[in-house]
Amino acid sequence: DAKTTQPPSMDCAEGRAANLPCNHSTISGNEYVYWYRQIHSQGPQYIIHGLKNNETNEMASLIITEDRKSSTLILPHATLRDTAVYYCIVRVAGSGNTPLVFGKGTRLSVIA
Amino acid sequence: ETGVTQSPTHLIKTRGQQVTLRCSSQSGHNTVSWYQQALGQGPQFIFQYYREEENGRGNFPPRFSGLQFPNYSSELNVNALELDDSALYLCASSSTGQETQYFGPGTRLLVL
Repeated sequence: DAKTTQPPSMDCAEGRAANLPCNHSTISGNEYVYWYRQIHSQGPQYIIHGLKNNETNEMASLIITEDRKSSTLILPHATLRDTAVYYCIVRVAGSGNTPLVFGKGTRLSVIA
Repeated sequence: ETGVTQSPTHLIKTRGQQVTLRCSSQSGHNTVSWYQQALGQGPQFIFQYYREEENGRGNFPPRFSGLQFPNYSSELNVNALELDDSALYLCASSSTGQETQYFGPGTRLLVL
């Protein structure tokens, strides 16, 4: 079973920041937080991952609370193309080949 | 650098038939994982191949089998197809020591 809890759906106005929360209260010290997204009928797309420090790349920022029990994925300027299901996944560090355990994710709708 | 590719994109089979799905891993990746995604659900791990051997399996029956070839490409075979096998089948590639799995576009299988 997935070790994360996410809201089933969220809306965001185009051009605004989209903040997607994820709870992972049972995360272990050696587990990363990963985010993937899946645009309708396509394969999941890797977004970002982090262990305990905040991370930023060209797609998004990941903010992890100090106790590591929750995190937020931030899309700074959402566009219509960001409409997708976003999955938050925890996974043991140094285990690049262990399977990903997906929950149901958050369906983000970006509205014009 | 080429990404993960899968073939065919769509497939229709009848109950009881057999099907073979194919995946070419991303350049430099030596591990392929297969996932099944039913409508409205997150992807579920089927199995993984590393160095041409099965390296982990999810809760799927033996009629789901696979192969990995020396060039790291992979096949997923499903025998005695059932209606519930209708799904999007995804493969993801990764390499030893790398934390991230990258997904292909998927093969959508419909069993009638």
